[in-house]
Amino acid sequence: GENVEQHPSTLSVQEGDSAVIKCTYSDSASNYFPWYKQELGKGPQLIIDIRSNVGEKKDQRIAVTLNKTAKHFSLHITETQPEDSAVYFCAASIRGGNEKLTFGTGTRLTIIP
Amino acid sequence: SQTIHQWPATLVQPVGSPLSLECTVEGTSNPNLYWYRQAAGRGLQLLFYSVGIGQISSEVPQNLSASRPQDRQFILSSKKLLLSDSGFYLCAWSTVGANVLTFGAGSRLTVL
Repeated sequence: GENVEQHPSTLSVQEGDSAVIKCTYSDSASNYFPWYKQELGKGPQLIIDIRSNVGEKKDQRIAVTLNKTAKHFSLHITETQPEDSAVYFCAASIRGGNEKLTFGTGTRLTIIP
Repeated sequence: SQTIHQWPATLVQPVGSPLSLECTVEGTSNPNLYWYRQAAGRGLQLLFYSVGIGQISSEVPQNLSASRPQDRQFILSSKKLLLSDSGFYLCAWSTVGANVLTFGAGSRLTVL
């Protein structure tokens, strides 16, 4: 089955700087890669996702890049703000049908004011 | 719009007691439903998923069971809780054929 590894487990960034979280996956058939943000005491929320037919997707200060050859994808947050502090999870799956998401172990991002 | 409700939000139970966590989804029909457990350093572990009423798939052997008595209701249960059952439990739903998960707010279970 799919295995997703996520690094780093914790990340502290000065407010205004950029943050990068990286994930690798094992199943070359995976073609859907979402990122979830979990704030303290809440359930995770989808913030951005990417399909395997594109290499990069951007939404305001958040971007995700995908390298299918190397089987890794990354989340980039620019101009970080205190409200970006949260736990971020990457995931991978084969889109369609009822295939299930395999999640990474999470990255606790702390933005230092 | 679709909403997902999960309760109770927090629960403290003695070892050996039963458990029932409930999840309901509104605003959609025939959703896929999921129970995840979140433990520190292990991310989100899928426990059960369901593609229809009475259809439950278990991902990992454990002390828990799940049931789906109605289309938009998903219940996580245990007859006798273990200390190791403590954790943060998340219900989620997705549209059939899609992978976009929408999570509930979670239930924090402490077994003493």
